[in-house]
Amino acid sequence: QVQVVQSGAEVKKPGASVKVSCKASGYTFTGYYMHWVRQAPGQGLEWMGWINPNSGGTNYAQKFQGRVTMTRDTSISTAYMELSRLRSDDTAVYYCARESVVVVAAKGVWYFDLWGRGTLVTVSS
Amino acid sequence: QSVLTQPPSASGTPGQRVTISCSGSRSNIGINTVNWYQQLPGTAPKLLIYYNNQRPSGVPDRFSGSKSGTSASLAISGLQSEDEADYYCAAWDDSLKGLFGGGTKLTVL
Repeated sequence: QVQVVQSGAEVKKPGASVKVSCKASGYTFTGYYMHWVRQAPGQGLEWMGWINPNSGGTNYAQKFQGRVTMTRDTSISTAYMELSRLRSDDTAVYYCARESVVVVAAKGVWYFDLWGRGTLVTVSS
Repeated sequence: QSVLTQPPSASGTPGQRVTISCSGSRSNIGINTVNWYQQLPGTAPKLLIYYNNQRPSGVPDRFSGSKSGTSASLAISGLQSEDEADYYCAAWDDSLKGLFGGGTKLTVL
C-alpha cells in the first residue's frame, strides 16, 4: 500500500525545536521529492519546502530560511522536517506530501499526489 | 495574505454548478500550471485537478479545471452534499517555490 505515515503530535515551548518524521512505504522513496506544508488552526495551506530524498538537496520557502532543516534517512525511507526557535504562531498541522511529475509538451508538471495525515505541533508556554 | 487570490467562500444548492476562481500573476500562474486540492473537514488535502484541467483517477468528472492567462478556475457541476469542503489552488512561482491560494470554503445549502 502506497502511503506516508507521520509521527505523532508534539507540544513544545517557545524557543524549542521540533522534528517531524514522514515514513514512506509502498513506493521507491528516493524516486520522489518530498514536500512539507503546514496549516495553522483555521487557516490555509502554506508551503515550507522540499527535499530530494535521492541527493538530499533542499529548497526552502524564504519565510523559513534559517529555521527549517529537511533531511532524510534512505535506509528507513523516512523524511524529516525540523523547525527551530519555535514561536506560538508556529502552532499548526504539518503535512508531508509526495511530489509526482508528468512531462507534458516537454514541460514538467508537478503536483502533490500523496499526503500524510498531518502532525499537530503546539507551541505553548 | 496569499499570492494566489481565491474568494474565501462559495455556496450552492444540490445539483447546481459552482465555480471557484484563483488569480495570480505572470510570475506564477502565467508561466506554470495550476493544481487544485480538496480538503474535507478534519482531513489532509487531496489532489483534485492537476495540469490545469486533468483529473486523477477516481475524481468524478463533475470536477473540472481551466486556466487562462494569470487566472484559473475550478468548476463543480451537479453539486452534492459531500462536496462541502475547502478548496485550494496551487502553482509554482518563477523560482520554483510553492504557492497556495488562501482557500475557498464551499457550503452546500
